Amino acid sequence: SQTIHQWPATLVQPVGSPLSLECTVEGTSNPNLYWYRQAAGRGLQLLFYSVGIGQISSEVPQNLSASRPQDRQFILSSKKLLLSDSGFYLCAFAGTESGASTEAFFGQGTRLTVV
Amino acid sequence: DQQVKQNSPSLSVQEGRISILNCDYTNSMFDYFLWYKKYPAEGPTFLISISSIKDKNEDGRFTVFLNKSAKHLSLHIVPSQPGDSAVYFCAARVYGGSQGNLIFGKGTKLSVKP
Repeated sequence: SQTIHQWPATLVQPVGSPLSLECTVEGTSNPNLYWYRQAAGRGLQLLFYSVGIGQISSEVPQNLSASRPQDRQFILSSKKLLLSDSGFYLCAFAGTESGASTEAFFGQGTRLTVV
Repeated sequence: DQQVKQNSPSLSVQEGRISILNCDYTNSMFDYFLWYKKYPAEGPTFLISISSIKDKNEDGRFTVFLNKSAKHLSLHIVPSQPGDSAVYFCAARVYGGSQGNLIFGKGTKLSVKP
């Protein structure tokens, strides 16, 4: 079965510190991978997506970056966190194999608080 | 510019009654619409979807209706149960877009009272 793992579940980081959130997917090959953010009072905003190793598309300009070093691994990073980076970060995947369903499947999320 | 709008931030319904969650969109190029359910501190879980070529899709207690001329879709939950209490997100995909490239609304918090 297909599963997605995201960690850590919660994180408190000081302003100016680096960030690394990791996401891995199991049970599927060559998935499309996504990072979303849910800020307070707002919907889910797509930050980055990747259709293959080393291929990253950014949806919004910001203080964050993403990388895909392996087929089923997606990493969200920042060199220096800002207060405005606080939010709930979600990793998601969508299958690309023949017969894959259309919907995206989400991880459990990471609550990031920048202090 | 919000392409997917959920104008009701919250909705309260009595157990056993019908819950109707609404969603409006502005982009005519959307070809697929989805509803996700989200509990606090968890990732959203997929609930039901509908292709733009259909006007209704039903799955158990959940039915999604699509009115393309009005650019409006709704999720009906009948009968509502206390376990349905969660935030519901409407999402849409642009035609030809990657499957997970979804545009989400801000969500509607549903409270089902026993």
